[in-house]
Amino acid sequence: QVQLVQSGAEVKKPGASVKVSCKASGYTFTGYYMHWVRQAPGQGLEWMGWINPNSGGTNYAQKFQGRVTMTRDTSISTAYMELSRLRSDDTAVYYCAREKHDWCSSTSCSPFDPWGQGTLVTVSS
Amino acid sequence: EIVLTQSPGTLSLSPGERATLSCRASQSVSSSYLAWYQQKPGQAPRLLIYGASSRATGIPDRFSGSGSGTDFTLTISRLEPEDFAVYYCQQYGSSPLFGGGTKVEIK
Repeated sequence: QVQLVQSGAEVKKPGASVKVSCKASGYTFTGYYMHWVRQAPGQGLEWMGWINPNSGGTNYAQKFQGRVTMTRDTSISTAYMELSRLRSDDTAVYYCAREKHDWCSSTSCSPFDPWGQGTLVTVSS
Repeated sequence: EIVLTQSPGTLSLSPGERATLSCRASQSVSSSYLAWYQQKPGQAPRLLIYGASSRATGIPDRFSGSGSGTDFTLTISRLEPEDFAVYYCQQYGSSPLFGGGTKVEIK
């Protein structure tokens, strides 16, 4: 079955960087766009960006431009999201989510299904 | 920039009742690109509806989606105990966007 397994919880100091991984299994990794979404405690969902695992192409939400980098390693079917210059308001659960459909070519075009289990990133001095 | 506004913020209902959740867009959204998700505490969101009205795999038929343009609705015909959760609408595409969510709580 399709599964996304994320790396474990992280505690970081303000100004540091964090890199979260998302290991995919049960499907062709390069066939589906991968998204990253975060959720601050008690808040809603916030889309951060996507990566095309086939080409490596990315599209980041304007809010995160310059601070986020999404990459992938196709040899181990794993996507990564790195967020730099962390602030206390970056404390959140970070999710990877695969697109449902594999027919998106030049850009994302599909809802998200399934999702990873989430990774809690805590930023605190 | 499109904004998705969900209402009400909280819906207090009893099991067996009908739930009607609204998602309003500040600009017209293609119906092909509107989805609904359910999220329970401590869990990742789960896709319920996509293309405004198509149920995702394994989703019971008590969940239905409708709407077009700027107004979309998620209806739960008869609430089951497991349906009490937070629901998000989403415009997907090149730059996806989520609404703020509606919490469906037990009255």
